[in-house]
Amino acid sequence: EAGVVQSPRYKIIEKKQPVAFWCNPISGHNTLYWYLQNLGQGPELLIRYENEEAVDDSQLPKDRFSAERLKGVDSTLKIQPAELGDSAVYLCASSLIRDTEAFFGQGTRLTVV
Amino acid sequence: AQTVTQSQPEMSVQEAETVTLSCTYDTSESDYYLFWYKQPPSRQMILVIRQEAYKQQNATENRFSVNFQKAAKSFSLKISDSQLGDAAMYFCAYSKGGTSYGKLTFGQGTILTVHP
Repeated sequence: EAGVVQSPRYKIIEKKQPVAFWCNPISGHNTLYWYLQNLGQGPELLIRYENEEAVDDSQLPKDRFSAERLKGVDSTLKIQPAELGDSAVYLCASSLIRDTEAFFGQGTRLTVV
Repeated sequence: AQTVTQSQPEMSVQEAETVTLSCTYDTSESDYYLFWYKQPPSRQMILVIRQEAYKQQNATENRFSVNFQKAAKSFSLKISDSQLGDAAMYFCAYSKGGTSYGKLTFGQGTILTVHP
């Protein structure tokens, strides 16, 4: 069974440019998470979906970040415009239902120059 | 707010030896879960072990075991018979139970080096 797939693995952009990350969760997993991991730190939750509904987005900086999960499967996280401080790893995870193990993808490492 | 603290930025161990990674947390909740995750250079977070707060028995998964001290809010991970493949960053994490399950609060991480 394929795990959580994220793309791209790496992305380098100039500041003020837009960027998007894509996540394909494990088949059948209805809960999806986006985490932000700054260098040398633990991940922090940005947003959690149950099916198409964002049930927890309190940590998402809504002035520049947006996310969507159309049809309750794949999800896209967007930053517009990107700032230097957005350089980090963006991790996606999914679980069957909220109280089961969450499986993580390999993340997207974003560098803003 | 819940916090998770890992006071050991780095640890090292000889292959086949035992090492213990420390973690403390702060919460006022009674229903919660604690986790240890491993993150190798590939960046993929892998669940090592999970502990439900209502269970008194310490969780064990093969060479990995925890020492859960609920009153002291301490949750340490013991790795026995360390292997080269155990080298990674280890994160302690907390999740409130109920509808908030899955919202993980992570510690700062401990880099584990395994020497042959």
